[in-house]
Amino acid sequence: DTEVTQTPKHLVMGMTNKKSLKCEQHMGHRAMYWYKQKAKKPPELMFVYSYEKLSINESVPSRFSPECPNSSLLNLHLHALQPEDSALYLCASSPLASAGTDTQYFGPGTRLTVL
Amino acid sequence: AQTVTQSQPEMSVQEAETVTLSCTYDTSESDYYLFWYKQPPSRQMILVIRQEAYKQQNATENRFSVNFQKAAKSFSLKISDSQLGDAAMYFCAYQRGSTLGRLYFGRGTQLTVWP
Repeated sequence: DTEVTQTPKHLVMGMTNKKSLKCEQHMGHRAMYWYKQKAKKPPELMFVYSYEKLSINESVPSRFSPECPNSSLLNLHLHALQPEDSALYLCASSPLASAGTDTQYFGPGTRLTVL
Repeated sequence: AQTVTQSQPEMSVQEAETVTLSCTYDTSESDYYLFWYKQPPSRQMILVIRQEAYKQQNATENRFSVNFQKAAKSFSLKISDSQLGDAAMYFCAYQRGSTLGRLYFGRGTQLTVWP
């Protein structure tokens, strides 16, 4: 089973709203990722958690706040977003293999629209 | 810095025919991995195939195969017996070995499959 789930599928929010995106995996993976993807562009890495600790923050604005409550769950809290933050937000996970390929498996994404 | 180049923004193929998507990369590392992901209109990133740089043998997954030319830093994807469901954006990606999850993506190739 290589399933990563994300909720909601679509989200529309105003610039003053607070909302959260949720990502879940039950593959026993120890690394989880958030990406932002604009139309017709490759995904851009935002955050990486390994063993539930934030390992990489790609200089993402503070209006995006990640949280990893446990090894299966990853949240992205959104506050005071801008219209340019409208995008597809992808979650991924990987096993953190000690040897060999550490392959990332992606969820279906949340399409976010900021009005 | 690692760069991944996909020189074909768009490609098209007739159903049942074969198509090859190009990818080149730049690295000074000896330990790395290469991937092809597809992203259909549903927007989920799906792993197509992966290749370990230390392996001489080209990876194959059913109708998908790669031509990995390490000296030339080339990693092309061949799709045989193309099907309508193969229509998608295809991203080539590079990952350094033994590093936490940083995938470097190309800009993608949009593949159209004609009936």
